Amino acid sequence: DIQMTQSPSTLSAFIGDRVTITCRASHDIDSWLAWYQQRPGKAPKLLIYKASSLQTGVSSRLSGSGSGTEFTLIINSLQPDDSATYYCQQYHSSPITFGGGTKVEIK
Amino acid sequence: EVQLLESGGGLVQPGGSLRLSCAASGFIFRNYVMTWVRQAPGKGLEWVSSIRQSGGDTYYAESVKGRFTISRDNSRATLSLQMDSLRADDTAMYYCAKKGPAADGSQYYDYWGQGALVTVSS
Repeated sequence: DIQMTQSPSTLSAFIGDRVTITCRASHDIDSWLAWYQQRPGKAPKLLIYKASSLQTGVSSRLSGSGSGTEFTLIINSLQPDDSATYYCQQYHSSPITFGGGTKVEIK
Repeated sequence: EVQLLESGGGLVQPGGSLRLSCAASGFIFRNYVMTWVRQAPGKGLEWVSSIRQSGGDTYYAESVKGRFTISRDNSRATLSLQMDSLRADDTAMYYCAKKGPAADGSQYYDYWGQGALVTVSS
């Protein structure tokens, strides 16, 4: 199975800050990576697919990059609404696997 | 508007069975791969099972293989998960999810239900 490792596991930042979340794959997954946001008590929401394609309706403050084994999710100008846990997911190989999550808190 | 509505969750004893359903609307259900993803309390996301459009091909995580059965009824736009021989570590919120529209087979999920909570405990 492909292991997905996210860092940091938790981060705390101020409103307006730029936040970076990293996801590393144990094997090359090309660009077959998605990012999700999950607010407490809610279902995950798709943010980005194919490493850098923004899902329709998602704020342009978010962006994704990377390929191979290292990927990044950037949130520009952090807003209160961004307080959530973010997960990466690889869909290069079965079984599909998710990262452990990064909890973003507002200072 | 795409909607996925899970039902059937509840409390069950170890070794027992439960059947989850997911009623889909707002899209052409028979055209999409559908998936179950679960999340244990306070934990991350875990892919459980997927089923292709016709229902003829099914896929399972090793942790549930031989105990869970995924199925679909395209005439009723309904996805199901039959869970047998349940164990305490199956306790989780179970989400049904729709595969995204990409024609290349990409298995990311663009819509999720609100989840059904399954608790396995004596």
